[in-house]
Amino acid sequence: KAGVTQTPRYLIKTRGQQVTLSCSPISGHRSVSWYQQTPGQGLQFLFEYFSETQRNKGNFPGRFSGRQFSNSRSEMNVSTLELGDSALYLCASSFQTGGTNEKLFFGSGTQLSVL
Amino acid sequence: DQQVKQNSPSLSVQEGRISILNCDYTNSMFDYFLWYKKYPAEGPTFLISISSIKDKNEDGRFTVFLNKSAKHLSLHIVPSQPGDSAVYFCAASGNRRSQGNLIFGKGTKLSVKP
Repeated sequence: KAGVTQTPRYLIKTRGQQVTLSCSPISGHRSVSWYQQTPGQGLQFLFEYFSETQRNKGNFPGRFSGRQFSNSRSEMNVSTLELGDSALYLCASSFQTGGTNEKLFFGSGTQLSVL
Repeated sequence: DQQVKQNSPSLSVQEGRISILNCDYTNSMFDYFLWYKKYPAEGPTFLISISSIKDKNEDGRFTVFLNKSAKHLSLHIVPSQPGDSAVYFCAASGNRRSQGNLIFGKGTKLSVKP
């Protein structure tokens, strides 16, 4: 079974630009979550999508948005990029049967550098 | 305010000895805890988890202990191997309606020396 696939792997942008990151979850997984990791910080939750609906959102400004498609693939978008947005963006998927605890499977991430 | 804390940014252990990584949490609503391992330039990999109804879970060389009264959990690796050198993240979950939302600690970098 293929793992979680994130594209692109690396990205360099300049301040003020916008960026779109893509995530393909493990086949059959219906939930996709996005996390931001910056140096010295743990992973910070951005948002979670389940069956094309945003189920939860972390404490990030409105410049960060996302969506999920009917095939469970997800994209996140960051508009008006700031230097502080430079980070590793991780996508994670899980099956989410409901009522039971499930682990998340992470992709390798997209390393975004904002210059 | 950090709800999940890993107070040791780094830990160095000799190969073959025990590695003990610690994690504290503040939210008593957390009912599921996980440990992830992360190598540079890769995503985190699930290692082991424990439900709040248990106080110990074991998987090969890895054992997680949970002390709910102290709001503390620890990961024991015995024996430690050089390939275990990585950053270890403790994570907690308490929202059944949003299980994709894990609260992570900042990580502990484990170095296992040959």
